[in-house]
Amino acid sequence: GENVEQHPSTLSVQEGDSAVIKCTYSDSASNYFPWYKQELGKRPQLIIDIRSNVGEKKDQRIAVTLNKTAKHFSLHITETQPEDSAVYFCAASIKNTGNQFYFGTGTSLTVIP
Amino acid sequence: NAGVMQNPRHLVRRRGQEARLRCSPMKGHSHVYWYRQLPEEGLKFMVYLQKENIIDESGMPKERFSAEFPKEGPSILRIQQVVRGDSAAYFCASSPPLGEQFFGPGTRLTVL
Repeated sequence: GENVEQHPSTLSVQEGDSAVIKCTYSDSASNYFPWYKQELGKRPQLIIDIRSNVGEKKDQRIAVTLNKTAKHFSLHITETQPEDSAVYFCAASIKNTGNQFYFGTGTSLTVIP
Repeated sequence: NAGVMQNPRHLVRRRGQEARLRCSPMKGHSHVYWYRQLPEEGLKFMVYLQKENIIDESGMPKERFSAEFPKEGPSILRIQQVVRGDSAAYFCASSPPLGEQFFGPGTRLTVL
């Protein structure tokens, strides 16, 4: 099955700086890559996603890039704010056959005011 | 439009008892997924169901765990003879066919 690795496991940045989280996947058939944000004790919430026919997608301060050849994708958060502090999970799935997600192990992001 | 509902939110069981976790998908969603999150860890896929069908249960332990999504009513994740290692947060998500998954608030199971 699919194996998703995520780095780093913890990340601390100063407010206003950028944060980058990287993931790799193993199954070249994966074609959908969502990112979820989970605050302590809360449910995971989708913040951005990218499909394999796109190399980059941006939504305000959040962007995701995908390199299909290398099988890795990254989350970029610019101008970080304290409310960005949370655990972020990447995931991979094969959209046209099944829809189950295979998640990375998570990155705990702390934005220092 | 209510979101994905899970109950109970917290469940305490003693070793050897049964745990039944319920998930009501969003209106119009026919697909349900169950994930387990151990403390300080990521989400692990367990099982993917459509109404009256198990599509993929490759992430589910072979013994003691079962899931169903009947024609009427919520999806149920059942854990028989619970052990301490079953203590975790269990999240369900729902989606339309091949659509975005929305997560429920989770059920936190504690096994004493």
